[in-house]
Amino acid sequence: GENVEQHPSTLSVQEGDSAVIKCTYSDSASNYFPWYKQELGKGPQLIIDIRSNVGEKKDQRIAVTLNKTAKHFSLHITETQPEDSAVYFCAASIGRNDMRFGAGTRLTVKP
Amino acid sequence: KAGVTQTPRYLIKTRGQQVTLSCSPISGHRSVSWYQQTPGQGLQFLFEYFSETQRNKGNFPGRFSGRQFSNSRSEMNVSTLELGDSALYLCASSFDNEKLFFGSGTQLSVL
Repeated sequence: GENVEQHPSTLSVQEGDSAVIKCTYSDSASNYFPWYKQELGKGPQLIIDIRSNVGEKKDQRIAVTLNKTAKHFSLHITETQPEDSAVYFCAASIGRNDMRFGAGTRLTVKP
Repeated sequence: KAGVTQTPRYLIKTRGQQVTLSCSPISGHRSVSWYQQTPGQGLQFLFEYFSETQRNKGNFPGRFSGRQFSNSRSEMNVSTLELGDSALYLCASSFDNEKLFFGSGTQLSVL
């Protein structure tokens, strides 16, 4: 089955800097790659997603890139703010609701 | 629109007991998935239901079971609880089989 690896496990940046989180997946049939943000005491919340027929997608300060050949995708957060501090999860799926998640990255943005 | 609602929010049980968790999906969502979240294993897929039928199942023992009702509400049951079952159990509903909307979870502690 699908295996998703996520790096780094923790990331600390200064407010205003950029943050990058990287994931790799094993199954070349995976075609949907979402990113989730989980704040303390809450469930994960979808922040951006990308499909396998697209190489890059942006939404304000957040962007995701996908390299199908290398089977990796990345989350880029620019101009980070303290409220971006959370745990971020990447995921990959092959259609149906059988999402496989990375282990998570704890992002800390220092004011 | 109301989000995904999970009850109860916290639960304390002892080994050998059984527990039932409840999930009410977003109105109009017919797919409900369940995940187990632990610090060591991350987010692990339990099972997914669509129109009262289990469509996918993760790699968990038969002690973990679920069902879905005609109004799309779902329950999951864990029998003969073990210490290792202590975790945050997350329910997610979906309209398009891809974008998952998570509830805040039920924190289960097994003593």
